[in-house]
Amino acid sequence: NAGVTQTPKFQVLKTGQSMTLQCAQDMNHEYMSWYRQDPGMGLRLIHYSVGAGITDQGEVPNGYNVSRSTTEDFPLRLLSAAPSQTSVYFCASSPGGRYGYTFGSGTRLTVV
Amino acid sequence: KNQVEQSPQSLIILEGKNCTLQCNYTVSPFSNLRWYKQDTGRGPVSLTIMTFSENTKSNGRYTATLDADTKQSSLHITASQLSDSASYICVVGQNAGNNRKLIWGLGTSLAVNP
Repeated sequence: NAGVTQTPKFQVLKTGQSMTLQCAQDMNHEYMSWYRQDPGMGLRLIHYSVGAGITDQGEVPNGYNVSRSTTEDFPLRLLSAAPSQTSVYFCASSPGGRYGYTFGSGTRLTVV
Repeated sequence: KNQVEQSPQSLIILEGKNCTLQCNYTVSPFSNLRWYKQDTGRGPVSLTIMTFSENTKSNGRYTATLDADTKQSSLHITASQLSDSASYICVVGQNAGNNRKLIWGLGTSLAVNP
């Protein structure tokens, strides 16, 4: 059981480039989300999904897009990378309700 | 303002010793309180989840307490091990049944030395 798989683990982008961070889970969880973690700040929610075909914005959605075509996959797209998007990105999934989240191992992104 | 504050920011203890980490929150309406462990370079791992009616929850050597009246929680680690070295994050859920509103603390960085 792989849990939540994120790729790539590391990425360096130039300002203005676009890319997609991949996230896949094999636990049949309905709820999936993307967070970013920056020094001195708590995890901040970017986008989330409560099921295939349903997505919504979190607290810091600007500059990011998501889609949820299947239960398993929840990719995060950076449209035009900016240095302010340098961060560690985590994907998480949950069955919902009062269950805990299962996190991926993260993607460390640097935008130069 | 909805906030989660943790103390201390960092802590160093000797292997085998116990320790207690604190979490104060001002999140309303309260739904649940979670503790996560995050190893360096890894994603957070869930330790405990407590709702309003629960005042203690254990997971092995980890015991979390919740006082919903004073809006305080603590995480007690018994007989610490080197592998307990990590950041421990308190997270408060807002709105009953709504998983999406989670307020994350900044964490307490724990170092367990031999």
